[in-house]
Amino acid sequence: DAGVIQSPRHEVTEMGQEVTLRCKPISGHDYLFWYRQTMMRGLELLIYFNNNVPIDDSGMPEDRFSAKMPNASFSTLKIQPSEPRDSAVYFCASSSSLPLMGQGYNEQFFGPGTRLTVL
Amino acid sequence: KQEVTQIPAALSVPEGENLVLNCSFTDSAIYNLQWFRQDPGKGLTSLLLIQSSQREQTSGRLNASLDKSSGRSTLYIAASQPGDSATYLCVFGNEKLTFGTGTRLTIIP
Repeated sequence: DAGVIQSPRHEVTEMGQEVTLRCKPISGHDYLFWYRQTMMRGLELLIYFNNNVPIDDSGMPEDRFSAKMPNASFSTLKIQPSEPRDSAVYFCASSSSLPLMGQGYNEQFFGPGTRLTVL
Repeated sequence: KQEVTQIPAALSVPEGENLVLNCSFTDSAIYNLQWFRQDPGKGLTSLLLIQSSQREQTSGRLNASLDKSSGRSTLYIAASQPGDSATYLCVFGNEKLTFGTGTRLTIIP
């Protein structure tokens, strides 16, 4: 397996434009996560899916952010309209399970990230 | 709100030295604690995972410990090498994952 695939690797856009980030999880993984990493706030979970269904989107910062998972092999994170403060590295990760008390969990595998710059 | 703190934020040591990275967390309801490595411009690579019922895990030159009572975890790296230079993140796991801010480690040849 090629691991988690993200595209594009770098995106530079102007404020107000729509941005779409893409992710292909590892085949067979039922969970998909979107994270955002900034110097100020570190890594933050934005949303995660289980079997293509959004389970927890409490980390999505605003209505400008939306995420979809139309099938088991593809997910998108969309920002519309984009703002300079959205500039960050966005990571996608997948795993075959979630943490369970006392049972550990299968680790999350991260993609290489998309570096977004909004001018 | 769960907070995961890593001190120091940056550390430089000469090659060959043993070193310890620290992680502290505020919530005792922990399921597991995981250490990741992040290389510049790249994603995260899992190093070690300690379940709540365990006290430590070892992989090669790496040893991670977990003390739930004090809310601390340490990552011990033996005989450091320049290739160990990276940012190390500890991750607190319960229903969600909470990431620490990381320690940027530089091994000086």
